Amino acid sequence: RKEVEQDPGPFNVPEGATVAFNCTYSNSASQSFFWYRQDCRKEPKLLMSVYSSGNEDGRFTAQLNRASQYISLLIRDSKLSDSATYLCVVIRLDNAGNMLTFGGGTRLMVKP
Amino acid sequence: DGGITQSPKYLFRKEGQNVTLSCEQNLNHDAMYWYRQDPGQGLRLIYYSQIVNDFQKGDIAEGYSVSREKKESFPLTVTSAQKNPTAFYLCASSSLDFTYEQYFGPGTRLTVT
Repeated sequence: RKEVEQDPGPFNVPEGATVAFNCTYSNSASQSFFWYRQDCRKEPKLLMSVYSSGNEDGRFTAQLNRASQYISLLIRDSKLSDSATYLCVVIRLDNAGNMLTFGGGTRLMVKP
Repeated sequence: DGGITQSPKYLFRKEGQNVTLSCEQNLNHDAMYWYRQDPGQGLRLIYYSQIVNDFQKGDIAEGYSVSREKKESFPLTVTSAQKNPTAFYLCASSSLDFTYEQYFGPGTRLTVT
């Protein structure tokens, strides 16, 4: 089983729709969680952090469920520019320091 | 402007040849990383370095080598021992205090035939 798993999609949604992605992680020692965005054939960029209490940034809301070991990303009022691949990132601490593990990404396509 | 540069953007090589990918950063970050991304897959860590003249293997280090002679530079050599070298290679850097916030270069697409 992969340490971090995501539904690869693609999720095809119309403009204005609300869409949610989940990401599950297997290592209960994981400490920190983030969402990155990657546009087609470009480098990933940090989108937002994920906290147990939830984290909202404009139309984006990230949530962590430690009991079920998953994180989620909710996008409201989707825009064409939201089309991208969303990567979840899980961090755990080991002997070498903080170790990041990236999920395979979920592809979102927002259509007019 | 601060950032990370990778060159070249596209690279073509014949099987059996070693090739070195460049990565330079002027963000004054201590930590640097090399990842490989294959179609439809996440990023897999090849090597990382937290200090000059020191580096550690990541999850898929076999067939690769790195050096960290300067804080700003972290070149990756893809050797002929790497069985499937064709991929998108991404270099990243971060501060040691905020390793979760990694800044990526634009990547190098390597094709080996």
